[in-house]
Amino acid sequence: DVKVTQSSRYLVKRTGEKVFLECVQDMDHENMFWYRQDPGLGLRLIYFSYDVKMKEKGDIPEGYSVSREKKERFSLILESASTNQTSMYLCASSSATSGSYEQYFGPGTRLTVT
Amino acid sequence: KQEVTQIPAALSVPEGENLVLNCSFTDSAIYNLQWFRQDPGKGLTSLLLIQSSQREQTSGRLNASLDKSSGRSTLYIAASQPGDSATYLCAVRENDMRFGAGTRLTVKP
Repeated sequence: DVKVTQSSRYLVKRTGEKVFLECVQDMDHENMFWYRQDPGLGLRLIYFSYDVKMKEKGDIPEGYSVSREKKERFSLILESASTNQTSMYLCASSSATSGSYEQYFGPGTRLTVT
Repeated sequence: KQEVTQIPAALSVPEGENLVLNCSFTDSAIYNLQWFRQDPGKGLTSLLLIQSSQREQTSGRLNASLDKSSGRSTLYIAASQPGDSATYLCAVRENDMRFGAGTRLTVKP
């Protein structure tokens, strides 16, 4: 079974702090994604990566950056957290080589910025 | 821009009923369509994936169909159980994934 893990289930940070959210997948997937999910807005793509050291902006990249130094790990960075970044953050991965591109999600991180 | 709509937004049924959840999308040039289940406060669990060349996929009591030309997919749940209570999301893949807002299903004992 594909397993996608996220470093924290719940996180509380103060405004202005630098925040790191980490995601690890164990199935050698090429593609990794970061989404945020908010009531009434659904899932929105922040950033994605198709390979190591490669990143592409999604729909809402402002205020975020990412890092992919190893294939299995994709980090989301909030350089200076703000209250409007309070949200549920979901990481996902998919295989490009299998051809299916089925996405597998982690359990999510509920981030609260006070 | 692709838009994905799910109707109804919420559904409540008695245990044992068969039910259908609907998903529509505006651009038929999709690569695949995926149905997910999400329990409160949790991540998404993949239920079924239908490639653009396929018409349906089945897994246990779940059956998903895809009509690309009309921009529609349905998720059929047979003999619903209280454990099926969750939010169900559909997503279509073009260059990236576009998600619907979900249908919140409650199955009453």
